[in-house]
Amino acid sequence: GAVVSQHPSWVICKSGTSVKIECRSLDFQATTMFWYRQFPKQSLMLMATSNEGSKATYEQGVEKDKFLINHASLTLSTLTVTSAHPEDSSFYICSANELTGLSSYEQYFGPGTRLTVT
Amino acid sequence: KQEVTQIPAALSVPEGENLVLNCSFTDSAIYNLQWFRQDPGKGLTSLLLIQSSQREQTSGRLNASLDKSSGRSTLYIAASQPGDSATYLCASPRGPMDTGRRALTFGSGTRLQVQP
Repeated sequence: GAVVSQHPSWVICKSGTSVKIECRSLDFQATTMFWYRQFPKQSLMLMATSNEGSKATYEQGVEKDKFLINHASLTLSTLTVTSAHPEDSSFYICSANELTGLSSYEQYFGPGTRLTVT
Repeated sequence: KQEVTQIPAALSVPEGENLVLNCSFTDSAIYNLQWFRQDPGKGLTSLLLIQSSQREQTSGRLNASLDKSSGRSTLYIAASQPGDSATYLCASPRGPMDTGRRALTFGSGTRLQVQP
């Protein structure tokens, strides 16, 4: 099946610094990728939709200037957390769609990135 | 807008027991429903995907059903094992699939513990 990778798998950074997380579709092209955030013992919440070649669409309450998304190619989307603060510590997961034979779109998820801001 | 809920929030069963996890959704015009497994601190593993035209899907000891009219899906796990211990999440596309790009709305999950 389709594989989505993320890098890094975990990162620790100091408050005020920026962190970049990469999401790659390894064996298929993804014109759209999604970024989710998961706080401890909570479910996944959509942060933004990353569109190749155009601006990302952010969910209500997500600061677009703080969470910069770039989708420069059909296989790579990046999420940059700028001026990170401890409250940004979370598990960030990306996903991408692949068209299945039944014309329904199954989502494939990356392994996630654990961000800890000290 | 699709909303997804799961009950129970947590479940503990002895090894070997058959169990059912429940998922409810508000929009019956569902396009598909996906069940995932998440181990602590890990990403998601897709278990089963049920298309809107299907009523159930099976994979090994897992069987997932979909009843659009009642807005429910169930995940049945037969002969549970300690290795099945994890959080199980159901999810559905947030809206129309005309662009094929819709993100998923997740339930809050059921934390399963299978006691040896």
